Amino acid sequence: AQTVTQSQPEMSVQEAETVTLSCTYDTSESDYYLFWYKQPPSRQMILVIRQEAYKQQNATENRFSVNFQKAAKSFSLKISDSQLGDAAMYFCAYRSWLNDMRFGAGTRLTVKP
Amino acid sequence: ETGVTQTPRHLVMGMTNKKSLKCEQHLGHNAMYWYKQSAKKPLELMFVYSLEERVENNSVPSRFSPECPNSSHLFLHLHTLQPEDSALYLCASSPRTSTNEKLFFGSGTQLSVL
Repeated sequence: AQTVTQSQPEMSVQEAETVTLSCTYDTSESDYYLFWYKQPPSRQMILVIRQEAYKQQNATENRFSVNFQKAAKSFSLKISDSQLGDAAMYFCAYRSWLNDMRFGAGTRLTVKP
Repeated sequence: ETGVTQTPRHLVMGMTNKKSLKCEQHLGHNAMYWYKQSAKKPLELMFVYSLEERVENNSVPSRFSPECPNSSHLFLHLHTLQPEDSALYLCASSPRTSTNEKLFFGSGTQLSVL
């Protein structure tokens, strides 16, 4: 079964600084999709960024970017110019045409003013 | 507002009670999901429905009973729960299963079993 591992239960960053959240996954599939979701205190999961495994170019969404290393099965999220509103739980997730979405345990990000 | 609404937002129940969680989506999606979120554990996929038919059931105890009367509504019926069932229960939808598309989530029901 596909598993997603987030090895950092908690991270903190100073406002305006950059932070990187780690994610690794295990799969035997070659075609799949990776996601980062944000869960603020409101509890509603919001999509931050998505990466197709067949694309070599790393996805970018404004201040959010990923470092996708397919061979290493690594998918880290970089948040630049961190803002107070970025404080939340961040979940890495895997989905494929054969498997519905699987999530990691999450990383709680604190942003210090 | 993502178009997925869950009620109630909070629920406290005793181990002998029977209660139901409700999820409604207004996005015209054909697939709906129940996830369990416990502290420091990966989200657990519990049930998947596609066009009102259950397509996945991940070894969930029978004290959890899902129901999908139509593609817009999903219920999770609870009975004789255990304290370890206390968690945040999230509902999600997507246009279909077996796809690369993202899931749309509700705000969850925070369940406490006493």
